[in-house]
Amino acid sequence: EADIYQTPRYLVIGTGKKITLECSQTMGHDKMYWYQQDPGMELHLIHYSYGVNSTEKGDLSSESTVSRIRTEHFPLTLESARPSHTSQYLCASSELGNSNAGANVLTFGAGSRLTVL
Amino acid sequence: AQTVTQSQPEMSVQEAETVTLSCTYDTSESDYYLFWYKQPPSRQMILVIRQEAYKQQNATENRFSVNFQKAAKSFSLKISDSQLGDAAMYFCAYMGGSEKLVFGKGTKLTVNP
Repeated sequence: EADIYQTPRYLVIGTGKKITLECSQTMGHDKMYWYQQDPGMELHLIHYSYGVNSTEKGDLSSESTVSRIRTEHFPLTLESARPSHTSQYLCASSELGNSNAGANVLTFGAGSRLTVL
Repeated sequence: AQTVTQSQPEMSVQEAETVTLSCTYDTSESDYYLFWYKQPPSRQMILVIRQEAYKQQNATENRFSVNFQKAAKSFSLKISDSQLGDAAMYFCAYMGGSEKLVFGKGTKLTVNP
């Protein structure tokens, strides 16, 4: 079944640790996104990619980095986690396209909830 | 920059009744998409409905319909015959030429039995 997968779903780590949040999709979508969702549920775009070897920073500044070496894979890395990074991180993907029914519709993963102590 | 405003942080509705969630947006673009997404507690965000700005006809999906007023930059969601499973955070979202989805702050909908 075509879907988008995020691992881990929950992660509790100590300050200073390096973490990678994985995101993979099986739909062949070119566009992928990372959103940070704060405790008040507001969503902020932190990274996006329109294809392999293309990555851009989003509207909210983030200390995380991303890579897009394969179409289906868009991992997010924090080199040194801090308590301020505690949040839920949502990965999403969508087709390139114009007027077809699926164009610009984002499919979301289940999220990775990160807690940094 | 485009902004999306949801003025109702929380709403409640009785089962089987109708509820309308409000959304306004600000843009100088003429061609864009508007969406309503639903995020149930601890579950995946899913698309409820999509509206293309160039289409005057309001989108509908079963019990969900929108009232799209382009001149007023308003995009409300009506849920008819509310069900317990409709309880969730509802996010209004905008996508223009940048192809980045901009969300409102969300409305928490409670459905009372």
